[in-house]
Amino acid sequence: DAKTTQPPSMDCAEGRAANLPCNHSTISGNEYVYWYRQIHSQGPQYIIHGLKNNETNEMASLIITEDRKSSTLILPHATLRDTAVYYCIVRATGNQFYFGTGTSLTVIP
Amino acid sequence: NAGVTQTPKFQVLKTGQSMTLQCAQDMNHNSMYWYRQDPGMGLRLIYYSASEGTTDKGEVPNGYNVSRLNKREFSLRLESAAPSQTSVYFCASRVQGNTEAFFGQGTRLTVV
Repeated sequence: DAKTTQPPSMDCAEGRAANLPCNHSTISGNEYVYWYRQIHSQGPQYIIHGLKNNETNEMASLIITEDRKSSTLILPHATLRDTAVYYCIVRATGNQFYFGTGTSLTVIP
Repeated sequence: NAGVTQTPKFQVLKTGQSMTLQCAQDMNHNSMYWYRQDPGMGLRLIYYSASEGTTDKGEVPNGYNVSRLNKREFSLRLESAAPSQTSVYFCASRVQGNTEAFFGQGTRLTVV
């Protein structure tokens, strides 16, 4: 599976959009981009995933660049409860989920 | 619907003791996983079971054994616990293909 690079930490003002970047420059054509988050050392929670098209669900939007070498997770209106560690993972079907160290997002009142 | 249930939630062991961490899922998922998370670090895959009857090593399998007892249950055994195995252990499951994994709430293990 391709490696990912994320900034170790970010801050975001409450109510503003949080944009979390992920670099995956060695991604293969059959690898999907997944995002998870982990709040207070609870079990990781699935957010969203995509292959090459942008995706949106009730939690977030995922923007994948045309060359697929990077992506951005967007939380449109961050709340204090979005403070968590966010993990970007790339994975091919049949392979396993390998987590990096993620981005620690702090939402500031 | 309980999802993924791990037992126990907390455990303290003495060095050299053995124990089994239990994981059960009620979502009829094919694949199950065991991860460990050390302080300030991401999750590392210990073992996984792609389907009932199969198990494979992940990134950090040394010191552990697993059993896929049936489709619902996947246990992790420490035969002789060491302080380096102090960690939070997470179990996860998913259907197959390009689906998300669901995680349990973790077992916090301390080996003294």
